[in-house]
Amino acid sequence: AQTVTQSQPEMSVQEAETVTLSCTYDTSESDYYLFWYKQPPSRQMILVIRQEAYKQQNATENRFSVNFQKAAKSFSLKISDSQLGDAAMYFCAYRGPGGSQGNLIFGKGTKLSVKP
Amino acid sequence: DTGVSQDPRHKITKRGQNVTFRCDPISEHNRLYWYRQTLGQGPEFLTYFQNEAQLEKSRLLSDRFSAERPKGSFSTLEIQRTEQGDSAMYLCASSSIGTNQPQHFGDGTRLSIL
Repeated sequence: AQTVTQSQPEMSVQEAETVTLSCTYDTSESDYYLFWYKQPPSRQMILVIRQEAYKQQNATENRFSVNFQKAAKSFSLKISDSQLGDAAMYFCAYRGPGGSQGNLIFGKGTKLSVKP
Repeated sequence: DTGVSQDPRHKITKRGQNVTFRCDPISEHNRLYWYRQTLGQGPEFLTYFQNEAQLEKSRLLSDRFSAERPKGSFSTLEIQRTEQGDSAMYLCASSSIGTNQPQHFGDGTRLSIL
């Protein structure tokens, strides 16, 4: 069965600095999708960034970028120029290949604090 | 832009009572998912619909749980004879059909069992 592991329960970053959140996963599939979701306190989960496994190029979305290492099954999220609004729980999620039901498998999350 | 809507936001009930939650997905989305999230954990998949058909159910979905999506639009999740362990946030998400279509989540319904 596929699993997603986030080894950092909590992280802290100074405003305007850069922080990297780690995620590893386990799968026997070669085609799959990876996501980072952000969940602010008492607010809904929001998609931050996604990566298709067949793409070698790392995804970027403004201040957010990923380091996707397929062989190592690693999918880390880098947040540059951290802002106070980035404070939230961050969840890494895996989704199987096309044709599967498409449900997401989440890690336990990393709580990110941003210090002013 | 009307996102995924869930009702109620918070439900408090006594152990043994039945509860029902509603989810209204984004209108053009064919797929609808239910997840459960307990404190300090990531969401766990419960079940998913494509249009009105319930295509997958997790082992987490015991016989006390039932979900419907009668006309392929909104969905309901019912829990019968609630137990303490049912206390959690119940999240609904929807997406278009497509291999890489992202899931959009609602605010969730927080269930508290007294």
